[in-house]
Amino acid sequence: GAVVSQHPSRVICKSGTSVKIECRSLDFQATTMFWYRQFPKQSLMLMATSNEGSKATYEQGVEKDKFLINHASLTLSTLTVTSAHPEDSSFYICSARTVYEQYFGPGTRLTVT
Amino acid sequence: QKEVEQNSGPLSVPEGAIASLNCTYSDRVSQSFFWYRQYSGKSPELIMSIYSNGDKEDGRFTAQLNKASQYVSLLIRDSQPSDSATYLCAVLPQGAQKLVFGQGTRLTINP
Repeated sequence: GAVVSQHPSRVICKSGTSVKIECRSLDFQATTMFWYRQFPKQSLMLMATSNEGSKATYEQGVEKDKFLINHASLTLSTLTVTSAHPEDSSFYICSARTVYEQYFGPGTRLTVT
Repeated sequence: QKEVEQNSGPLSVPEGAIASLNCTYSDRVSQSFFWYRQYSGKSPELIMSIYSNGDKEDGRFTAQLNKASQYVSLLIRDSQPSDSATYLCAVLPQGAQKLVFGQGTRLTINP
């Protein structure tokens, strides 16, 4: 199957700082990428859908000014968590779609202290 | 009514037996169906996709789709302890960009 990478895999930051997470489709071009968040023992929650070259579409309840998404190319999307707080600590997972299927990156575990 | 429904389990199956996971969906015109496996603390991994009525086999996995009954299932033959995970059913509604996930079924294979 197709490969999606994410960097970093883990990050610890202080409250009030910003963190950028990169998501790359390694062997295919992804016109659409997705960002999910998952808290322990809970279901995946879609945060936003991003299409290359256009603004991301955020799900209801997700603050677009706090979670900045940039889909600058067909192989790269970034999520920036601005002014992070402890409640933002979670597992962030990106996903990219080929023509037919959707693949997930390995995830980034964010801890805000 | 949830769009994609799965029994949350846990489902316990003895090693070597067949594990049967079921999923129903509400959007009658959905065309694409997927099964993901998610180990604890890891991201989901695509294991099967199915688009046409009938069975699709890949190794020990068989996906079954019945569009008339709006039902998709996953069979795992010769279950192994390493198959213990949460299995997510996902449906792509026609014309939609985003997958709709079920809540997942937690499967435990007992040695």
